[in-house]
Amino acid sequence: SYELTQPLSVSVALGQTARITCGGNKIGSKNVHWYQQKPGQAPVLVIYRDSSRPSGIPERFSGSNSGNTATLTISRAQAGDEADYFCQVWDSSTVVFGGGTKLTVL
Amino acid sequence: EVQLVETGGGLIQPGGSLRLSCAGSGFTVSSNYMSWVRQAPGKGLEWVSIIYSGGSTYYADSVKGRFTISRDNSKNTLYLQMSSLRIEDTAVYYCARTIYYAYTPTYYFDYWGQGTLVTVSS
Repeated sequence: SYELTQPLSVSVALGQTARITCGGNKIGSKNVHWYQQKPGQAPVLVIYRDSSRPSGIPERFSGSNSGNTATLTISRAQAGDEADYFCQVWDSSTVVFGGGTKLTVL
Repeated sequence: EVQLVETGGGLIQPGGSLRLSCAGSGFTVSSNYMSWVRQAPGKGLEWVSIIYSGGSTYYADSVKGRFTISRDNSKNTLYLQMSSLRIEDTAVYYCARTIYYAYTPTYYFDYWGQGTLVTVSS
């Protein structure tokens, strides 16, 4: 089965740029979606199909995908961005999620 | 405004059954693909099941044969019937509107409910 690998945690200083990676075999050939989940809340879609932003998601959130790594980039990180982030793909007729990355804003 | 509200969670003994409901508003459940996704306490997300607008259904291997996804068009509501429950089924269960992009086939979840907790324990 297809596996997605995310770092357990990423830290970023307030106002700086955070990059969260999602690794998978030839993931660049797949569509990658990203979700933000704050404690006690449901996930929220922040990036779909590699780099598209749903309405209401700030332009500070962007995505890229190439080779074996997809990346969620959060520019000018704010305290409110502190959350768990999950990547997701569709493979072999099933949905696959990464294990999640806890983003800490220092 | 699209909203999803799950109900039906609770404490259930191993081997028992439970039905979750997900009431939709602001859109038509039957015209969309709809999914259930679960999250065990302190863990990541796990896809459980999907129902297509045409009625086809699919399941994760971990629940196949035990869970059934369905909908009531008149009530604009999605269901998950769970039977032969196991301790490892303990999780928050979310319903999610599911988008299918046909050009480079993929699925993703654009709206989620707040979730309902199912605890399987003796």
